[in-house]
Amino acid sequence: GNSVTQMEGPVTLSEEAFLTINCTYTATGYPSLFWYVQYPGEGLQLLLKATKADDKGSNKGFEATYRKETTSFHLEKGSVQVSDSAVYFCALSDRGGGGADGLTFGKGTHLIIQP
Amino acid sequence: KAGVTQTPRYLIKTRGQQVTLSCSPISGHRSVSWYQQTPGQGLQFLFEYFSETQRNKGNFPGRFSGRQFSNSRSEMNVSTLELGDSALYLCASSPGGGSGGGNEQFFGPGTRLTVL
Repeated sequence: GNSVTQMEGPVTLSEEAFLTINCTYTATGYPSLFWYVQYPGEGLQLLLKATKADDKGSNKGFEATYRKETTSFHLEKGSVQVSDSAVYFCALSDRGGGGADGLTFGKGTHLIIQP
Repeated sequence: KAGVTQTPRYLIKTRGQQVTLSCSPISGHRSVSWYQQTPGQGLQFLFEYFSETQRNKGNFPGRFSGRQFSNSRSEMNVSTLELGDSALYLCASSPGGGSGGGNEQFFGPGTRLTVL
């Protein structure tokens, strides 16, 4: 079956540090890949996505590249801010699964940015 | 456009009771998915409805059920509640349709269910 593995953290960084959150996946079909962010007390918001190999998703200074050869979709940001403190989820949606839109999520990475 | 709305936001029940949660998708969206979020298991997919039909189902017992109405609104029901059902239940909507896979899902704020 499908699965997503990501570092769980917490990951603590200083403001303006470089961020990498690793994500690897296993899928039976041709998945689309997503990063979602959850702020305290809120639902999930889509941060970025990539729908095919070598695509790069980017938003708000975050980016991730769909690497089919390494089955990875690592999240990066060059300079983090305190406001980036949240839980980040890597997820996939497998088009090979009959077109349904159910997402498979990683466990989530709690990111803490200190001023 | 209004976002995904879920009611109620908070709910307290006792073991053995049943509960119904409601989700209103973004206007025009035909697919509604439900997820359970717990500290131990993380986010787990419950089921997805599209055009009033269950299109996909996760690995949950039959106590968890759902339905979708002709206006795409969806309800989720949990019968014979157990302590372990305490969780944040998230609903997400997407346009749905044949493209599947890459459709972005828009999440509601969730319903926090506590089972005592």
